[in-house]
Amino acid sequence: DTEVTQTPKHLVMGMTNKKSLKCEQHMGHRAMYWYKQKAKKPPELMFVYSYEKLSINESVPSRFSPECPNSSLLNLHLHALQPEDSALYLCASSQALAGAGGETQYFGPGTRLLVL
Amino acid sequence: AQSVTQLDSHVSVSEGTPVLLRCNYSSSYSPSLFWYVQHPNKGLQLLLKYTSAATLVKGINGFEAEFKKSETSFHLTKPSAHMSDAAEYFCVVSQGGSYIPTFGRGTSLIVHP
Repeated sequence: DTEVTQTPKHLVMGMTNKKSLKCEQHMGHRAMYWYKQKAKKPPELMFVYSYEKLSINESVPSRFSPECPNSSLLNLHLHALQPEDSALYLCASSQALAGAGGETQYFGPGTRLLVL
Repeated sequence: AQSVTQLDSHVSVSEGTPVLLRCNYSSSYSPSLFWYVQHPNKGLQLLLKYTSAATLVKGINGFEAEFKKSETSFHLTKPSAHMSDAAEYFCVVSQGGSYIPTFGRGTSLIVHP
């Protein structure tokens, strides 16, 4: 099973709402990632977790809060977002941290977020 | 440091003709190189990857890529395009010591009937 699942598929939220995105993998991968992708652009890395600990935060605003409750789950909590945060949010996982030994990242289908 | 350049933002081909998507990289160490495909409103799917084994790498759906160190290139090819190949393609480089893979800007492949 090489599947990464993400829920919900679509999300519409107001600027005062609190919502969460969920990502799950059952491949035994120890590294998980959140990316943000705007239309016609490559994914931009937001956060990296390794062995359930936050390894990298790419200077993401605090209105985005990641959480890794266990080795299979990754959440992204959203609060007080801005319209410019509207994008496709992609989750990925890899056996170990990407960059070490050519680890392959496996991507989920993404959550399409619209902030009104 | 590492970087990747996809030389074409758009490539347009007719169905049944060859596909060439170009990628050049820069890396301080022996790199790992990947090609991913993204269909509209979907996640990224791995097509193939190079990790210092055979320089000619075969991937899924008839795609292949050749690692050329002298030219710092990793171009993606397919002998005959299919309508279902129309998508966005990303070249990605990663290297030991950097845990952040670097994505190219993407190449949009358009396939005409």
